[in-house]
Amino acid sequence: DAGITQSPRYKITETGRQVTLMCHQTWSHSYMFWYRQDLGHGLRLIYYSAAADITDKGEVPDGYVVSRSKTENFPLTLESATRSQTSVYFCASSALAGGNEQFFGPGTRLTVL
Amino acid sequence: GQQLNQSPQSMFIQEGEDVSMNCTSSSIFNTWLWYKQDPGEGPVLLIALYKAGELTSNGRLTAQFGITRKDSFLNISASIPSDVGIYFCAGRVGNQFYFGTGTSLTVIP
Repeated sequence: DAGITQSPRYKITETGRQVTLMCHQTWSHSYMFWYRQDLGHGLRLIYYSAAADITDKGEVPDGYVVSRSKTENFPLTLESATRSQTSVYFCASSALAGGNEQFFGPGTRLTVL
Repeated sequence: GQQLNQSPQSMFIQEGEDVSMNCTSSSIFNTWLWYKQDPGEGPVLLIALYKAGELTSNGRLTAQFGITRKDSFLNISASIPSDVGIYFCAGRVGNQFYFGTGTSLTVIP
């Protein structure tokens, strides 16, 4: 199906483990974004990418790594998960420079025990 | 990071009533956006505002970009049950977006 998808939708892991959240979009959008959503904080930008092989830090990048070898994929890796990274993670994409018209994926709920 | 103060935090209204919510910031933004999020889903863009003073409508929704570029409001007229959800404002600076903490709207039939 066309659109933006995230996998897995739910993940439980343990402190110290590496976790990778996947994001895939079929629109060939240039811009992709990763956000985390926590109660009391709304959505906070972790990393974004303007094109393949171009990534940049957002508001809360510590503890996360991203890559963008292909335009359609933008995986987010927690190299050593911590309890504070328990959150709902949203991926978004946009075709426009600056990405005003952002389209969000359904989210991944991550729990770190 | 940038702080967006969104109010009210929650609203309980009767079907048919009008709704108003706003977002303020200590920083200037180039763009203001309003999103709606349904449970278990990602946010969906409702309205985008690009110029100070701009007033834009989308059906029963109306939003304005404040003259100072530090605030925006969203109005929903004649609310219906499907308006239930969480509404977020967002401000853009460069390629980064900053979101408010959301307004939870409950519409009582």
